[in-house]
Amino acid sequence: ETGVTQSPTHLIKTRGQQVTLRCSSQSGHNTVSWYQQALGQGPQFIFQYYREEENGRGNFPPRFSGLQFPNYSSELNVNALELDDSALYLCASSSGVSNTEAFFGQGTRLTVV
Amino acid sequence: GENVEQHPSTLSVQEGDSAVIKCTYSDSASNYFPWYKQELGKRPQLIIDIRSNVGEKKDQRIAVTLNKTAKHFSLHITETQPEDSAVYFCAASTGSNYKLTFGKGTLLTVNP
Repeated sequence: ETGVTQSPTHLIKTRGQQVTLRCSSQSGHNTVSWYQQALGQGPQFIFQYYREEENGRGNFPPRFSGLQFPNYSSELNVNALELDDSALYLCASSSGVSNTEAFFGQGTRLTVV
Repeated sequence: GENVEQHPSTLSVQEGDSAVIKCTYSDSASNYFPWYKQELGKRPQLIIDIRSNVGEKKDQRIAVTLNKTAKHFSLHITETQPEDSAVYFCAASTGSNYKLTFGKGTLLTVNP
């Protein structure tokens, strides 16, 4: 069992609202990546944080933003929620930005109504 | 950017048979190709990976092959068991944990 934990596990929000999702990385990991997984699809890369700095971003609008804290935990913030934002949001932590395995958390299921 | 195509989308086999899932990628700079297994409601878990300097890798009943020239890689599961039933995703990246681009997944069902 990996040490990556996410909270909350489930969340229901109304269109237009804002949401914050949290991820605690595995001990010793300084890199966190966030992915969006729509139903029946593969995960899509949102962005990655390495030592508190954004280290790459996928094809997501600016209303998707993030933070990484000194303890390497991370937040994903989504503003002005849209119905299409309904998905499973996964974070993955690793030590360094290359050549090490990424371990996924169990995800946060976000439903926008 | 990278694009990963995965086939088939569903695969049903009898217990004990072999299963093969194929992926193609577009970015010749990709050098890391992991395979993840995701059971219903659970997190993706890495089952095997291969780097571009290797053509084949095997771990018990699971093997992965890579053809860099053709830009395709495949997952082979032998002697399938009901507990192998899950969704399998291939992915490609220029670094092990950086910006993984996933295929759309293959739902594997192993019938007892």
